[in-house]
Amino acid sequence: DAMVIQNPRYQVTQFGKPVTLSCSQTLNHNVMYWYQQKSSQAPKLLFHYYDKDFNNEADTPDNFQSRRPNTSFCFLDIRSPGLGDAAMYLCATSRAGDSDEQYFGPGTRLTVT
Amino acid sequence: AQSVTQPDIHITVSEGASLELRCNYSYGATPYLFWYVQSPGQGLQLLLKYFSGDTLVQGIKGFEAEFKRSQSSFNLRKPSVHWSDAAEYFCAVAVAGKSTFGDGTTLTVKP
Repeated sequence: DAMVIQNPRYQVTQFGKPVTLSCSQTLNHNVMYWYQQKSSQAPKLLFHYYDKDFNNEADTPDNFQSRRPNTSFCFLDIRSPGLGDAAMYLCATSRAGDSDEQYFGPGTRLTVT
Repeated sequence: AQSVTQPDIHITVSEGASLELRCNYSYGATPYLFWYVQSPGQGLQLLLKYFSGDTLVQGIKGFEAEFKRSQSSFNLRKPSVHWSDAAEYFCAVAVAGKSTFGDGTTLTVKP
């Protein structure tokens, strides 16, 4: 029944060691989003894909990259994680357009040691 | 650019009491408005949404929200809170396919 799946749920990485978080969806939605959420804060949009079109937020650090090889999957790559990158990373999908709500995955909690 | 303000960082209510969570937005026109709920360690779940039409919208789990254009507000209400409603609540506006979230209100429910 799971619609937006994120793996792993918990990820521990070392300072500077590249890490990849994955998201998959069974909803066949056009749009996929990656958010960073730090404790007691609002989710912050990092980037989103509309189909294959990549849209980066202006303030997303270059350290963060994303790939969407097909409709179902989307990856978040953190090239050189810093301590400040420790957060919950949320993947979400929507059909398209403003009027569609977003469906969120359970998130991946990233710890940087 | 649009923005969302949730004035209350933390609210505590007794089980069975009524609840109102405040949300104010800033945008030149009427945006699409949403309320999401997030339980600890989980993703966000949609409670309800407003696009147009009737300004009082019903959602899941007994929640409702009222859009007031004159006040740029979209407050969330529930007549009788249950212990399972304890969570973080986020108001969001969507413009041009992107959502902006408020900083959230943490709801604590006292027995």
